[in-house]
Amino acid sequence: QVKLEQSGAEVKKPGASVKISCKASGYIVTNYGISWVRQAPGGGLEWMAWITSDNANIKHAQNFLDRVTVTTDKTTTTTYMELRSLRPNDTAIYYCARGIEVAPDLDYWGQGTLVTVSS
Amino acid sequence: DIQMTQSPSSLSASVGDRLTITCRASQGIGNYLAWYQQEPGKVPKLLIYAASTLHSGVPSRFSGSGSGTDFTLTISSLQPEDVATYYCQKYNSAPYTFGGGTKVEIK
Repeated sequence: QVKLEQSGAEVKKPGASVKISCKASGYIVTNYGISWVRQAPGGGLEWMAWITSDNANIKHAQNFLDRVTVTTDKTTTTTYMELRSLRPNDTAIYYCARGIEVAPDLDYWGQGTLVTVSS
Repeated sequence: DIQMTQSPSSLSASVGDRLTITCRASQGIGNYLAWYQQEPGKVPKLLIYAASTLHSGVPSRFSGSGSGTDFTLTISSLQPEDVATYYCQKYNSAPYTFGGGTKVEIK
């Protein structure tokens, strides 16, 4: 069965960086990619970035262009999202989710990773 | 960038009611529109993709329609387990923006 397993909760200080992992299993990753989506407490879903399994196609939301790096290790089927220069309003649950390259609606989601930014 | 606007932002209805949620794109997106359901405290789930195709396992009381700029999600007969926030998302091209969400409650 398709599964996206994310790394555990993180607590970071303002200005630090966080790197979250998302390990895919139960499907062949070729022709699929991963989107990263976040949700602040009490807020809506915010799309952040997209990466294909071969790292060839990477897209970012304008808000995250300078602070987010996404990478995929195809050998371990693990995708990473690094967010730098953390601010308190980056406190959120971060989700990875799978989509087909040609039409990336998100059919499977990871369990979410809570990142808390606090001094 | 294309903006996605959902309405209403919240609604309250009775069990058995028919509900319609609207999602409007600021520019045409063809049928590259998905709907997600997020129950309280849970991970979002895909309901509908390609504007009107039901994802596997989704009850048939959910349906989607529209193309271009105007889309709707309909629940034909509201059930207690449908209490959730519903989001639309465009995916014709990046950024794959979400709508602001519609919170559905039971009267």
